[in-house]
Amino acid sequence: EAGVTQSPTHLIKTRGQQVTLRCSPISGHTSVYWYQQALGLGLQFLLWYDEGEERNRGNFPPRFSGRQFPNYSSELNVNALELEDSALYLCASSFRRTGGYSPLHFGNGTRLTVT
Amino acid sequence: AQTVTQSQPEMSVQEAETVTLSCTYDTSESDYYLFWYKQPPSRQMILVIRQEAYKQQNATENRFSVNFQKAAKSFSLKISDSQLGDAAMYFCAYKETSGSRLTFGEGTQLTVNP
Repeated sequence: EAGVTQSPTHLIKTRGQQVTLRCSPISGHTSVYWYQQALGLGLQFLLWYDEGEERNRGNFPPRFSGRQFPNYSSELNVNALELEDSALYLCASSFRRTGGYSPLHFGNGTRLTVT
Repeated sequence: AQTVTQSQPEMSVQEAETVTLSCTYDTSESDYYLFWYKQPPSRQMILVIRQEAYKQQNATENRFSVNFQKAAKSFSLKISDSQLGDAAMYFCAYKETSGSRLTFGEGTQLTVNP
């Protein structure tokens, strides 16, 4: 079974530019989560998508956005990049459960550097 | 809002010995899940162990076990017979039963010395 895949693995952008990160979930998973892991910090929740809809959003400005496609893959878009956006962006997927718990499976992340 | 605190930014242990990583959390919920994740240099987050709050018995997975103290809101991870491959960043995480997001602590960098 293929795991969660993210692309690209590394990215260097200039302040003010825009970036798109991509994530393909494990087959059968409908939920995709995005987390930001800045240096020295824990993982901060960004977004949750399920069945093509944004279900929950973390405490990030609107220039962080995304979408989920009919095949459940997802994109994270960041506009007007700022230096503090430099971080590892992790995607995770799971089955959608109305109750109980479905384990999150993480990808290897995209390392974004903003100069 | 729920918070998760890991007060040990770094820990080290000798190979084959035992180490305990600390985690405390704050919540007003009575039912929830707690987790320990491991992040090696490969960057992929790997689930080590999980605990349901309604279960009094501490979870165990081979060399990994937890000490769950619900009243104290404490959730420590014990690694027995430490191996070089255990070296990684360890994150404690919390999830409401009905919620979707995981709330993570700041992480503890574990070094295993040969």
